[in-house]
Amino acid sequence: DAKTTQPNSMESNEEEPVHLPCNHSTISGTDYIHWYRQLPSQGPEYVIHGLTSNVNNRMASLAIAEDRKSSTLILHRATLRDAAVYYCILRPPLKGAQKLVFGQGTRLTINP
Amino acid sequence: EAGVAQSPRYKIIEKRQSVAFWCNPISGHATLYWYQQILGQGPKLLIQFQNNGVVDDSQLPKDRFSAERLKGVDSTLKIQPAKLEDSAVYLCASSSFRGGRHRNTIYFGEGSWLTVV
Repeated sequence: DAKTTQPNSMESNEEEPVHLPCNHSTISGTDYIHWYRQLPSQGPEYVIHGLTSNVNNRMASLAIAEDRKSSTLILHRATLRDAAVYYCILRPPLKGAQKLVFGQGTRLTINP
Repeated sequence: EAGVAQSPRYKIIEKRQSVAFWCNPISGHATLYWYQQILGQGPKLLIQFQNNGVVDDSQLPKDRFSAERLKGVDSTLKIQPAKLEDSAVYLCASSSFRGGRHRNTIYFGEGSWLTVV
């Protein structure tokens, strides 16, 4: 599985934007970039995913570098509820059900 | 739509005892996963089922861990005998091929917290 690199921790203030980086220099041309997050005492939950183009949904935006060797998860206006561990995960194209391989993730702290 | 259900939520046992965790996936999801998450680490896959067949159990410590998914719905993960290093959260998850862009999104339960003393 291709590896991702994320900062161990980040801190931001409530109602400000947050940019969570992820490096994946060994990504293959067909790997999808997925983001999951894990709130305290909860199981991980899906946030967003993309292949080449930037993606937006109600939770976040995903900005993918042109060479696809890095990506950034953007929370446009952080709330206290966004405090969680964020995981950036690469997944090959759908060929049967596929597991998620988790790294250490980034622990995001939101200050009131 | 109901989420992935797990029980018990918390369990404390002594080393060398046995424990079993139960999981009920989202209705219609053919794929079921068990993950182990040790404090401070990301989840690690133990076993993956497709319907009632095993797809991947390469990281399951088979001398003490076992899992089954009878009838391709509910699943049970058992540890016998437990060791101190088995203290962790055991997460069950499920996914489906159906559903357009979000097919193969994996949905997790809240986890079963195990402490071995």
